[in-house]
Amino acid sequence: EVQLVESGGGLVQPGGSLRLSCAASGFTFSTQDMNWVRQAPGKGLEWVSYISGSSGTKIYADSVKGRFTISRDNAKNSLYLQMNSLRDEDTAVYYCARDGVGATDFDYWGQGTLVTVSS
Amino acid sequence: QSVLTQPPSVSAAPGQKVTISCSGSSPNIGNNYVSWYQQLPGTAPKLLIYDNNKRPSGIPDRFSGSKSGTSATLGITGLQTGDEADYYCGTWDSSLSARVFGGGTKLTVL
Repeated sequence: EVQLVESGGGLVQPGGSLRLSCAASGFTFSTQDMNWVRQAPGKGLEWVSYISGSSGTKIYADSVKGRFTISRDNAKNSLYLQMNSLRDEDTAVYYCARDGVGATDFDYWGQGTLVTVSS
Repeated sequence: QSVLTQPPSVSAAPGQKVTISCSGSSPNIGNNYVSWYQQLPGTAPKLLIYDNNKRPSGIPDRFSGSKSGTSATLGITGLQTGDEADYYCGTWDSSLSARVFGGGTKLTVL
């Protein structure tokens, strides 16, 4: 059974940093491209970042480019999101999501971890 | 606002059919596949449809997807109270080089 479990969320002040983790199991992690998607309270979904299985390709949404860094450790079956220079508008539930078999879909999602940026 | 446009809400009676539209443009829906997600209250999104009209294993055939030009549609037949959720469309935008979503549609089963 595919499982994605996020951790690392919490309360952080504006300008601060936080590192999210996503532990994957139930599939061959190294061969799967992964993403982070976020959802602000009461709002819709927003794609944040993508990383290929080999870490050779990384893509970011304009809203986080230069502040967030996606990475992975295939030996540990883990995905990460380093978030720096956090802003109020980064407050959201952050989901890790696996790329699906189709061209543009996410087939498995974690339960999410809440990041609150507030002074 | 979102790159893809969905109606904020739709409603229908149990047993009836409902459709949810997703409108985009050439760089996104017009030239890329569309996926659909169901988000039940307090839970993570779940993939319902990928590549415009394909259902993952375990998704009942009450759910269907279609695409025409720069618009896509999710159809749900035989509505159940358990279908009450937020529904999102998504695709790749070649102009933005980003994955994009619609703003979401809240389905109420009256």
